[in-house]
Amino acid sequence: KAGVTQTPRYLIKTRGQQVTLSCSPISGHRSVSWYQQTPGQGLQFLFEYFSETQRNKGNFPGRFSGRQFSNSRSEMNVSTLELGDSALYLCASSLGGASLRDTEAFFGQGTRLTVV
Amino acid sequence: AQSVTQLDSHVSVSEGTPVLLRCNYSSSYSPSLFWYVQHPNKGLQLLLKYTSAATLVKGINGFEAEFKKSETSFHLTKPSAHMSDAAEYFCVVSSSSGYALNFGKGTSLLVTP
Repeated sequence: KAGVTQTPRYLIKTRGQQVTLSCSPISGHRSVSWYQQTPGQGLQFLFEYFSETQRNKGNFPGRFSGRQFSNSRSEMNVSTLELGDSALYLCASSLGGASLRDTEAFFGQGTRLTVV
Repeated sequence: AQSVTQLDSHVSVSEGTPVLLRCNYSSSYSPSLFWYVQHPNKGLQLLLKYTSAATLVKGINGFEAEFKKSETSFHLTKPSAHMSDAAEYFCVVSSSSGYALNFGKGTSLLVTP
């Protein structure tokens, strides 16, 4: 079956603009999480959605937001882009009903965002 | 609070020799611990996870890890490295909610012929 699909794969934006990234989870998965990966900070948790509700949130400014649709697809939005937002944004999906102790998070290949 | 520290940012081994990637954790509760691997231009893949059952956990591709509570360690090992093992490896601890992952900084494994 299809894995986690993230679109677009690459994106170049100008400082001050906003951007929307999309994630389609594995069929049947109801939890979607987002992570930011940078050389300096490594992999950091942004937020997690389950059944259209944000269930967990990381320590990021309010410029970072997300949502989940009834078909479990998720989008994340970054407003007023800064140079430091340049990163690989990874999406992961899991069944969601149980914690990651009992299930597995499957990751997409990511969206590479470059802010210039 | 929970965190992981990967003790080596780079490890280089010869093909056919053992691999040891070191990880220490800190957690205020009984943690779930994971090792993920990231190959260039590919997504993260789960190698193995510890969830308080057996302390020696076997994963995919011949990797295994041992949970040592007294040493707060979760080191990843493989008896014999293969060229295809060259990648970035992440030690990970679950959040207190169980729905988010806290990643270490990663260890880059280089395998030389």
